[in-house]
Amino acid sequence: RKEVEQDPGPFNVPEGATVAFNCTYSNSASQSFFWYRQDCRKEPKLLMSVYSSGNEDGRFTAQLNRASQYISLLIRDSKLSDSATYLCVVTLNRDDKIIFGKGTRLHILP
Amino acid sequence: ETGVTQSPTHLIKTRGQQVTLRCSSQSGHNTVSWYQQALGQGPQFIFQYYREEENGRGNFPPRFSGLQFPNYSSELNVNALELDDSALYLCASSLARGVDGYTFGSGTRLTVV
Repeated sequence: RKEVEQDPGPFNVPEGATVAFNCTYSNSASQSFFWYRQDCRKEPKLLMSVYSSGNEDGRFTAQLNRASQYISLLIRDSKLSDSATYLCVVTLNRDDKIIFGKGTRLHILP
Repeated sequence: ETGVTQSPTHLIKTRGQQVTLRCSSQSGHNTVSWYQQALGQGPQFIFQYYREEENGRGNFPPRFSGLQFPNYSSELNVNALELDDSALYLCASSLARGVDGYTFGSGTRLTVV
């Protein structure tokens, strides 16, 4: 099993819709979780950290499920500008490894 | 506040050569990590430096090495370049080993021919 897995997509979603995607991780010792966004030919940018209690930032909601070892990202009222690749990141503080998923491509359709 | 800057932006090298990539961390950050990103893939963690010491390493051979300087800037060195080393190399800086996430530079595109 891969350390961090994401559905590569693409997810083709009409503007204004709600979209959600998950990321699973294999190591139960994983401690920190993040969602990054990467636009084509650009560097990744931090979208949000993911906390055990779940967290929300505007239209974006992130959840962590430690029992099932996955994190999720929900985007409400999607905008054309949300089109990007969303990368899941898991860190293993015990041996200081930072693991990225391969990313999920999202296309918001007008 | 300056962000993370990397140099050069693009580089072409011949197989077997050595290359040094440079990264200046964001002001106030003491941790730098390096990643290799092939086209269509997520970034692969190479290693991380915290206060001038390597404190985490991914699955990369020893010919990938690095340094962090007292001002927290960093270098990535790759010896005996192979064709498969062609990729985007990303540097990211953070506070305290990434507890609040990482800020990325725009990367160095390395092509090995």
